[in-house]
Amino acid sequence: GAVVSQHPSWVICKSGTSVKIECRSLDFQATTMFWYRQFPKQSLMLMATSNEGSKATYEQGVEKDKFLINHASLTLSTLTVTSAHPEDSSFYICSAQYGTSNNEQFFGPGTRLTVL
Amino acid sequence: ILNVEQSPQSLHVQEGDSTNFTCSFPSSNFYALHWYRWETAKSPEALFVMTLNGDEKKKGRISATLNTKEGYSYLYIKGSQPEDSATYLCAGPWAGSYQLTFGKGTKLSVIP
Repeated sequence: GAVVSQHPSWVICKSGTSVKIECRSLDFQATTMFWYRQFPKQSLMLMATSNEGSKATYEQGVEKDKFLINHASLTLSTLTVTSAHPEDSSFYICSAQYGTSNNEQFFGPGTRLTVL
Repeated sequence: ILNVEQSPQSLHVQEGDSTNFTCSFPSSNFYALHWYRWETAKSPEALFVMTLNGDEKKKGRISATLNTKEGYSYLYIKGSQPEDSATYLCAGPWAGSYQLTFGKGTKLSVIP
C-alpha cells in the first residue's frame, strides 16, 4: 500500500521550453503532496507543499511563477517547470501524505530533468 | 534553518559485516525522526518513524535508536548483504511543522 508514481522518470528538453511532471498516489488519497529538488551531493530540499484544491505554499527562494504546481485532485499533483534553463537541471521528487499521524510521507521514484 | 547532519557520507563494507551510521539533529522542539532507505532508481522507502527518547526499533537486520536529548539517532545493519546497498536518509519534522528536513544521506555499498 501507499504507492506513489511519478512521470516521467527522466526528461531532456531544450532551454526555454516547459516541462510538466506528474505525481500520483495510486492506492490512497493524499491530503498533502510535497515537491522536492535534489542537486548532486545535496539533501532533498523542499520546494513547495500543496493541498488539494488550494494554492501551493512555496519555500523561500523558490519562484512560484517558475515552478507551477497544480493539485487538482486527492491523487494527482503536477509540477510544471516553465521556460526551463540549464540551471533548472536537477532531480525532482514528490511525496504524498495522508492524515497527520507521524508526518509519514510516501515518495515517488523521482524525475531527472536535464535542460540543454 | 534546521540542520540535519548524517555521517559518514559514504561507506563500503564487506558482506556479512555489521555497520552503523549517525543522524544528528537539533534537540530542541523535537517531534519525530524518520529513516528512509533509497535504492537507486526506486522510491525512498520508509524504514522507521521514531518519536520517544530512548526508542529502539527493529526491522529484520536493521535497527535504530533515538536520543532526543542530545539530538542523534543511530541506524545499525547487522550482517550486511548486497541488497542493503542504498542511501539511507534521515529526516525530521520539528514541532509546529509537518515538513521534513532531510540530511544528505549515507551511501552504503556492500561488497559481495
